[in-house]
Amino acid sequence: EVQLVESGGGLVQPGGSLRLSCAASGFIFSNYWMSWVRQAPGKGLQWVANINQDGSQKFHADSVRGRFTISRDNAKNSLSLQMNSLRDEDTAVYYCVRTSDFSFDIWGQGTMITVSS
Amino acid sequence: IVLTQSPDTLTLSPGDRATLSCRASQTIASVYLAWYQQKYGQAPRLLIFGASNRATGVPDRFSGSGSGTDFTLTIDRLEPEDFAVYYCQRFASAFGGGTKVE
Repeated sequence: EVQLVESGGGLVQPGGSLRLSCAASGFIFSNYWMSWVRQAPGKGLQWVANINQDGSQKFHADSVRGRFTISRDNAKNSLSLQMNSLRDEDTAVYYCVRTSDFSFDIWGQGTMITVSS
Repeated sequence: IVLTQSPDTLTLSPGDRATLSCRASQTIASVYLAWYQQKYGQAPRLLIFGASNRATGVPDRFSGSGSGTDFTLTIDRLEPEDFAVYYCQRFASAFGGGTKVE
């Protein structure tokens, strides 16, 4: 079964850091671009970042560039998102997403990040 | 690129046809346009990729069309499980604000 499982969410103070992880299974992880997408409570979807198959190309949304960094470990079938200098507006559910045919075809269940003092 | 979805809410009954619009602020290659369905408390699900291609397992009552700046998701004969929020997206970029089908 194709599956993505996020972990690492929780409560963090403004200005703090957090690292999200995503464990992939059921497919050849190293063959796919991967992405992070977030959704603030009661709001719509927002693309955060994506990374190519070998990690040599990374793209981040303007709202997180310079603060968040996407990375991957193909040997461990794992995707990560390092989040620094967190702000209130980063509060959201963060989804790990597989990318195929220029779309997001497989989604994890999401992990909640709450930035609050 | 800004994607504007309309209407914000569509109130229909089972068996009706739903027509959802997604308008882009500039031309999008069709290959980059996708539609997603999200039910309450669940992760989104890919419905349509490349503007008109159904994803695996998506019923044929769902169809996508359009090109350039105007794209449409049509749901024929609404089933009870189709009442949800629908988002369009230009790949690895903006999502539309969503249309709730209730």
